[in-house]
Amino acid sequence: EAGVAQSPRYKIIEKRQSVAFWCNPISGHATLYWYQQILGQGPKLLIQFQNNGVVDDSQLPKDRFSAERLKGVDSTLKIQPAKLEDSAVYLCASSPLAGGIYEQYFGPGTRLTVT
Amino acid sequence: KQEVTQIPAALSVPEGENLVLNCSFTDSAIYNLQWFRQDPGKGLTSLLLIQSSQREQTSGRLNASLDKSSGRSTLYIAASQPGDSATYLCAVQDDYKLSFGAGTTVTVRA
Repeated sequence: EAGVAQSPRYKIIEKRQSVAFWCNPISGHATLYWYQQILGQGPKLLIQFQNNGVVDDSQLPKDRFSAERLKGVDSTLKIQPAKLEDSAVYLCASSPLAGGIYEQYFGPGTRLTVT
Repeated sequence: KQEVTQIPAALSVPEGENLVLNCSFTDSAIYNLQWFRQDPGKGLTSLLLIQSSQREQTSGRLNASLDKSSGRSTLYIAASQPGDSATYLCAVQDDYKLSFGAGTTVTVRA
């Protein structure tokens, strides 16, 4: 079974530029998560999708971050414009359905450096 | 709100010594607890998942215990090797979300 795929693996941009990350979840998984992990901290949930609908985006900085999951499969996370404090590893995860009994499976992450 | 704490934040041991990593959480109403390994700048590798009804899980040199009532879990790594050097993260799953600790960074000296 193929795992969660993410691209790119690394990205370096200047502040005020835009960037987009892509995630392809495990086939058949209805729930998709985006996490932000700043150096020295644990991952923080940014947004959770159930199929193509948003379940939780309470910690997404909506003035600069946006995410979509068209057709309930792949997802894209965008930052526009980027700030220095956005430097982090962005992790995508998926699970069969939402809810505590379902394990989340993580992708390799995208490491973003904003200069 | 669930708070997850990992102590110590960093640990350095000589090769061959056993490792003991601690995790505590504030809300015992969890479905499961998971231990992850993370190499610098990389993603998460799941090591062990303990369901809330279980007391421990074992995989090779790794053993994790869970005491849900006291809000604690411990990860034991036997006979440590330099390849075990990484950050180890604990995460608890409740009905809504997965909450992570900040991790313990382990260095195993050859």
